Amino acid sequence: GQSLEQPSEVTAVEGAIVQINCTYQTSGFYGLSWYQQHDGGAPTFLSYNALDGLEETGRFSSFLSRSDSYGYLLLQELQMKDSASYFCAVDGAGKSTFGDGTTLTVKP
Amino acid sequence: GAVVSQHPSRVICKSGTSVKIECRSLDFQATTMFWYRQFPKQSLMLMATSNEGSKATYEQGVEKDKFLINHASLTLSTLTVTSAHPEDSSFYICSAREEVDSPLHFGNGTRLTVT
Repeated sequence: GQSLEQPSEVTAVEGAIVQINCTYQTSGFYGLSWYQQHDGGAPTFLSYNALDGLEETGRFSSFLSRSDSYGYLLLQELQMKDSASYFCAVDGAGKSTFGDGTTLTVKP
Repeated sequence: GAVVSQHPSRVICKSGTSVKIECRSLDFQATTMFWYRQFPKQSLMLMATSNEGSKATYEQGVEKDKFLINHASLTLSTLTVTSAHPEDSSFYICSAREEVDSPLHFGNGTRLTVT
């Protein structure tokens, strides 16, 4: 089976940097994805790592270490609009399994 | 970018009726589509994996006869909630991917309320 762990809540101030960690256990692994979901909306894709290392997309970066079954999402220059839930998801065995999500609150 | 359209966005129905939700990939062919259910403040729970031209694969605990899934073409999958009850009220979200190792693209979700 597949299981993921990520912190339930994170709070930070505007302009700061936040790192959301994700550890996983899985049988079969293609990659680790990150999604953002605002209240009442559907998830939107942020980043994907299939190989070890850092992927950078604007203010957001994602890191993967397959040997440690660990990844993180790094959000820089936080803005109020970044307040949302962030989910890591493991792609494997033909489907994606989501973590429970991390609620990020950005304060002024 | 890849776009997935889901319809309707919101539906209210009476207990005992059936509701159909459509999921379309607009600019790509999706050999596989996924249906998720999400309760407030909770994660996305995979209900079933839908493959074009074959029967859907349901996750453990999901009733096949209650949640009927049809993947009629490479761009369309439908979820029918049969004989809906208030406990079926939830946010239903479809997603699709172009290839096995490509990211998921989500529809905007359907908020179902059963009265």
